[in-house]
Amino acid sequence: ETGVTQTPRHLVMGMTNKKSLKCEQHLGHNAMYWYKQSAKKPLELMFVYNFKEQTENNSVPSRFSPECPNSSHLFLHLHTLQPEDSALYLCASSQPSGGSVRELFFGEGSRLTVL
Amino acid sequence: QQPVQSPQAVILREGEDAVINCSSSKALYSVHWYRQKHGEAPVFLMILLKGGEQKGHEKISASFNEKKQQSSLYLTASQLSYSGTYFCGTEKGAGGTSYGKLTFGQGTILTVHP
Repeated sequence: ETGVTQTPRHLVMGMTNKKSLKCEQHLGHNAMYWYKQSAKKPLELMFVYNFKEQTENNSVPSRFSPECPNSSHLFLHLHTLQPEDSALYLCASSQPSGGSVRELFFGEGSRLTVL
Repeated sequence: QQPVQSPQAVILREGEDAVINCSSSKALYSVHWYRQKHGEAPVFLMILLKGGEQKGHEKISASFNEKKQQSSLYLTASQLSYSGTYFCGTEKGAGGTSYGKLTFGQGTILTVHP
């Protein structure tokens, strides 16, 4: 496989469920990102990991918990979500250069619906 | 703060040109441009760095006015495949807390008709 792969592609969960989104990149990059894309809103940066260390938490509620066990894998653990959390969650990776962001490679996203 | 894109939507016929603008109120280090087709992942088009370095698509060009914190994406001789939503992403000045973070505009919907 090549590029950035996200699973599952679609997820429906109740407000009391616990689920996880998975992202895997095969590009040898050292930075990984979670973005949230809601209808009629811009892409919202959620978390940034550089070399497995979290370098950004963009004021994301604690019901979203990221995990980056290595530079190739990124998870987003979900628990007690709200209906307004329904959105497309996009994972991306890049190879940072001097701490700056270079080209982002996005996965196709996980479409989350919270009932 | 997110950058502001204009226009919000553009409708073209094949062969026509379009310009999409992206403005920020903060000093920028880089501007990225991405295109997203319906149901697909955003795809990288272009990056413009402070100081003039560019990297991107063969048939799409862009400019970056560092003094005005503005970037424009130029789509010439549009093709049907150009249809999609175009996003600019901005990275603020090096050394600040926003370094290494890309913040996206609200998007410009481009539709190209035969």
